Amino acid sequence: QVQLAQSGAEVKQPGASVKVSCKASGYIFAAYYLYWVRQAPGQGLEWMGWINPNRGSTKYEKSFQGRVTMTGDTSISTVYMELSRLRSDDTAVYYCVRWGLGSETRIEAFDIWGQGTMVTVSS
Amino acid sequence: EIVLTQSPGTLSLSPGERATLSCRASQSVNSAYSAWYQQKPGQAPRLLIYGASSRATGIPDRFSGSGSETDFTLTISRLEPEDFAVYYCQQYGSSPTFGQGTRLEIK
Repeated sequence: QVQLAQSGAEVKQPGASVKVSCKASGYIFAAYYLYWVRQAPGQGLEWMGWINPNRGSTKYEKSFQGRVTMTGDTSISTVYMELSRLRSDDTAVYYCVRWGLGSETRIEAFDIWGQGTMVTVSS
Repeated sequence: EIVLTQSPGTLSLSPGERATLSCRASQSVNSAYSAWYQQKPGQAPRLLIYGASSRATGIPDRFSGSGSETDFTLTISRLEPEDFAVYYCQQYGSSPTFGQGTRLEIK
């Protein structure tokens, strides 16, 4: 079945970087944009950016520009999100999410979500 | 950036009752890019409705969506115990944004 499997929880110190992976399966990896959305404890959902796995092109939300890098490896159907210069307010669950408009589906919404990766920033 | 405001913040109802959740956009949006998600504690959000009114795969028909331009509604016709959760609306203009959520709790 279609799924996104993310890497495990991370604990980092302020100022450090974290890299979260997201492995796709069950669909044509290159055919769908993948987004990163985060959720701070008890808070709502915040878009961070997207990557087109086919071309490697990216777009980042303004508040993350300069700190976030999204990359992909089509040979293993995996995308990565690296966030640098971590602060305590970066503590959140980070979700890898598929935008459902592609070669196999025409769903203009976030149709498949990873299980989430908890990133804790604490000294 | 389009701001989405959901109301009410918390909705207290009993199983079997009808739930009506609202989402208002700060400016007109393309309903084709309007969606609703359900999130239960400790879980990722799940797509319920896309294109303002189309149910995602496997979503029961007690869930329905409607609306256009700046006002969108999610209706749950008869609440089941598993429906008590947080619901988010979402739109996609130049970038995706989410509402702050409505918590649906058991009365």
